[in-house]
Amino acid sequence: AQSVTQLDSQVPVFEEAPVELRCNYSSSVSVYLFWYVQYPNQGLQLLLKYLSGSTLVESINGFEAEFNKSQTSFHLRKPSVHISDTAEYFCAAQLQGAQKLVFGQGTRLTINP
Amino acid sequence: GAGVSQTPSNKVTEKGKYVELRCDPISGHTALYWYRQSLGQGPEFLIYFQGTGAADDSGLPNDRFFAVRPEGSVSTLKIQRTERGDSAVYLCASSAGQYNSPLHFGNGTRLTVT
Repeated sequence: AQSVTQLDSQVPVFEEAPVELRCNYSSSVSVYLFWYVQYPNQGLQLLLKYLSGSTLVESINGFEAEFNKSQTSFHLRKPSVHISDTAEYFCAAQLQGAQKLVFGQGTRLTINP
Repeated sequence: GAGVSQTPSNKVTEKGKYVELRCDPISGHTALYWYRQSLGQGPEFLIYFQGTGAADDSGLPNDRFFAVRPEGSVSTLKIQRTERGDSAVYLCASSAGQYNSPLHFGNGTRLTVT
């Protein structure tokens, strides 16, 4: 069975500090991996995705995630966070050839000034 | 352009009642998904439509839950004999339908069963 685990339910950081949100997945077959973000009072939005090729993927707002097959991880990082990054972040996996996404429990990122 | 629209945004109902939740996907999107998000949890897959047909309904928890998409656009999630455990945010998403097409989510319907 496929599952996604986000190890931290909440991550508080200071503005301009670096952050890492952890995600591990389990699957017996190849998967595609995603990070979605949910800003306050908004719907889920795709932040970035790994399908194939380079294991390091980036978003337009400075986040990056690295696919690590040996550790079955897809951690999300940003070197310097901004107040506007306050949101809930969800890691998700999709079996290759399937349509549905399996989501992790989410990590609430709060930025303190 | 318009995104995925879900109505109502909030629904309060009594235990045992029937409810319908509506989803208007992005125009032209052939794939439509329903997810359920309970407090403190990530979205949980319920059902996926490709066109008018349910291609995967493996996430529906029991036979009280049913969803339709008769014309391949708007979809309705129907819950019979609601229970307090059905309280959650019900999310709808649509995509262009190809593998790896990004999902576009609506803001959800918050269902409260009293």
